[in-house]
Amino acid sequence: DSGVTQTPKHLITATGQRVTLRCSPRSGDLSVYWYQQSLDQGLQFLIQYYNGEERAKGNILERFSAQQFPDLHSELNLSSLELGDSALYFCASSPQGVPYEQYFGPGTRLTVT
Amino acid sequence: ELKVEQNPLFLSMQEGKNYTIYCNYSTTSDRLYWYRQDPGKSLESLFVLLSNGAVKQEGRLMASLDTKARLSTLHITAAVHDLSATYFCAAIFMNRDDKIIFGKGTRLHILP
Repeated sequence: DSGVTQTPKHLITATGQRVTLRCSPRSGDLSVYWYQQSLDQGLQFLIQYYNGEERAKGNILERFSAQQFPDLHSELNLSSLELGDSALYFCASSPQGVPYEQYFGPGTRLTVT
Repeated sequence: ELKVEQNPLFLSMQEGKNYTIYCNYSTTSDRLYWYRQDPGKSLESLFVLLSNGAVKQEGRLMASLDTKARLSTLHITAAVHDLSATYFCAAIFMNRDDKIIFGKGTRLHILP
């Protein structure tokens, strides 16, 4: 158990809908990272937040957004969902802004029908 | 373009044999990571390599980094079935807005 929690574990929704994925980092970790894993695209870095501020951006679509709250949990919002958004979404946390080691959560499996 | 390339992508090997997974990256990277993923599971951090010539070992796995060649290797010694998993390398490019790029992964299957 990495200490990183993600909810929900599974999510099934229809195209065009909007969903919110939630991540709680390990106690004391200030950084949260979001990743998408799919068969087509592999593992892709989406975005990083450090202590409430956006720190680094990867291949995050404009339809997706994220934020980190004062209690350091983070939410990833996915809107206008398409079939191709079906994937595993992982979050990870690390103590600092530049990761020495990242601790991954169990993931949320999103299925868009 | 930022790229991280792993090879091979699939490896089937006998127990007791040695093998190496290669990870090339396209431009200067500040940190190189290796992860393990079991089927249906999350990623587990194995190694973080920070500098040229860095070598880290844990059990039958050893990772090294050559920043001049832009190459990291993950060496498996005397493989055992429990090491069957998918292994990913990833690089962080701090001079490119801290982007993190993953390789496609190497699916390792160790035959008993």
